[in-house]
Order: sequence, then structure tokens, then C-alpha cells
Amino acid sequence: DVKVTQSSRYLVKRTGEKVFLECVQDMDHENMFWYRQDPGLGLRLIYFSYDVKMKEKGDIPEGYSVSREKKERFSLILESASTNQTSMYLCASTLDRHASTGELFFGEGSRLTVL
Amino acid sequence: AQSVSQHNHHVILSEAASLELGCNYSYGGTVNLFWYVQYPGQHLQLLLKYFSGDPLVKGIKGFEAEFIKSKFSFNLRKPSVQWSDTAEYFCAVRGSYNQGGKLIFGQGTELSVKP
Repeated sequence: DVKVTQSSRYLVKRTGEKVFLECVQDMDHENMFWYRQDPGLGLRLIYFSYDVKMKEKGDIPEGYSVSREKKERFSLILESASTNQTSMYLCASTLDRHASTGELFFGEGSRLTVL
Repeated sequence: AQSVSQHNHHVILSEAASLELGCNYSYGGTVNLFWYVQYPGQHLQLLLKYFSGDPLVKGIKGFEAEFIKSKFSFNLRKPSVQWSDTAEYFCAVRGSYNQGGKLIFGQGTELSVKP
């Protein structure tokens, strides 16, 4: 089974702090994604990456950056956390952009609270 | 731009009732369609997916969905729900050749099944 592991399930940070959310997948997937999940808004794409050192903005990239130094690891960075970034963050991966399956595999999520 | 709309925010049913959750998408080209489910405290997991062929697709746990191209719809159905179906359900769309294989999600529908 594909396993997508997010390092922190729950985090509490203060406004202005730098926050790192880590995600690792163990199935040699090329594509990785960061979404945020908010009630009534569903999942919104922040950033994605289809190769090492490659990144693309999603629908709501403002206030976030990402890093993909190794194929299996995709990090989401909040340079200066703000209260409106309190949310559940979901990491996902899929085999490659041209794969016929297109199924995303998700981690369990990181719930971030910014005070 | 692609978008997905789920008609119902919260649905409450009694056990054994039939379920239909609406999903409409906007995208001009060929699409892949998905339904994901998130049980309380768990990660998102795939219920079913449509890529091509028979527009009626069957998924896990007795769920099915019908792709109606003329209506840009992909509604989820189950003839008889169980208490264990209590969860949040997300419809998602992917343009067949979009970059990175990203999925666009709907707002989600919370299903509560009363025993």
C-alpha cells in the first residue's frame, strides 16, 4: 500500500512564526501536492510538484512556499504564520502526470492552529 | 478554469434510506472524475473513479456513480446507507492532460446517518 506520511498531526504556532510541514511518500511517486481543507470550502490546492526541484502554484499559494529536494519528500513552508492560515493541511501524491489512474493518495493531515 | 460544485452541504438520513449526492463540474475537455470519502479522524480515501467507458461506475462499500456528460454531472448513489457511511464526501475532477495530475475538489458534503 502507498503510504503518505505527514510528520506532525497537530501543531500550535504563534503569529509570525515560521512553520514547516513535512510530507514523505514511499512509493516513488513523481507528483506531490499540498492542499488545505476548510469547512464549507473543501480542498484547495496550494502548491504541487511534478519533479524534484520543480514546483507549481496552485489556487491559493499566497503566504506559502514549498521545497522538494528529494523525490519522496515535499515540504510546505509558512514563512510568517498568520491566523487565517489556521487549517487542516493535506499532503498527497500520485504516480505521474500522465498516468491513467490519476488517483491521489493522501496523508492523514496536519492540523495547524495559529494563535 | 475548472471547478466542481457539490449541491448539498449536509445531508441527514436514517439507516436503509437511499442516498444521492450531487456533483457538477465545469471543464470543456475530457475529464477524469473521482469521489473521495473521509471518515471521522481518517485520511481521504478513494471511493470510485471514472476515466472512460461505462458511465456507471461501481466503487467500494456499495457506492456507485453515474457520469452524465451532457449534464456535466457525476452523482454518487447508494441504495441503502448504513450508520458506518457517516463521513464527508468529496467530488473531484481532473482534466485528462492537465499538468501535474492535480485534482480540483468540490466543497464537500457531510453525510450523517442516524441509526
